[in-house]
Amino acid sequence: NAGVMQNPRHLVRRRGQEARLRCSPMKGHSHVYWYRQLPEEGLKFMVYLQKENIIDESGMPKERFSAEFPKEGPSILRIQQVVRGDSAAYFCASSPPASGYQETQYFGPGTRLLVL
Amino acid sequence: LAKTTQPISMDSYEGQEVNITCSHNNIATNDYITWYQQFPSQGPRFIIQGYKTKVTNEVASLFIPADRKSSTLSLPRVSLSDTAVYYCLSRSGGYQKVTFGTGTKLQVIP
Repeated sequence: NAGVMQNPRHLVRRRGQEARLRCSPMKGHSHVYWYRQLPEEGLKFMVYLQKENIIDESGMPKERFSAEFPKEGPSILRIQQVVRGDSAAYFCASSPPASGYQETQYFGPGTRLLVL
Repeated sequence: LAKTTQPISMDSYEGQEVNITCSHNNIATNDYITWYQQFPSQGPRFIIQGYKTKVTNEVASLFIPADRKSSTLSLPRVSLSDTAVYYCLSRSGGYQKVTFGTGTKLQVIP
């Protein structure tokens, strides 16, 4: 059973370009979380999605950031018009359905975004 | 929003037992407490999870007092490979929103 997969592992963008980060959850998992980690800092929650639904996006910046988890295919975190402050590691985590309060999240290896 | 607090860093010699405490004053009644380990350039890895009293697995033990306002991760006989950042996780307002603690950077010294 493959773990959570993220691609690309490293992404370099120039200011103003778009960044698309992909996350394939573990098989059978229908909950996806995205986190951002700045250098030497902890993980910050961004968004929680289930298939075709955004459940909680309270950690997402109001502008330029969006996330989706379509019925088919990976979850996508999209950053438009990137700025240098977007440089960070972005981690995706997944959990199985109906986990409730005992939910355990399994993390991917992350995508390291560098904005030049 | 639940707030968790951990020591920023700890040092320990190889072979010693290490205890890392996390406070989570606003933890909700049904929330579980989960600890993760993160090595540089990797995603966090699940270590242990519990609700109350004591939980033990092959990696660590987790102690949770009756009031559940804190938890202590215990790593027996640490080795150099245990050098990592350790996070405690709690939820607030139901299981949709999750919060990581500040993380404790453990340095194991030979």
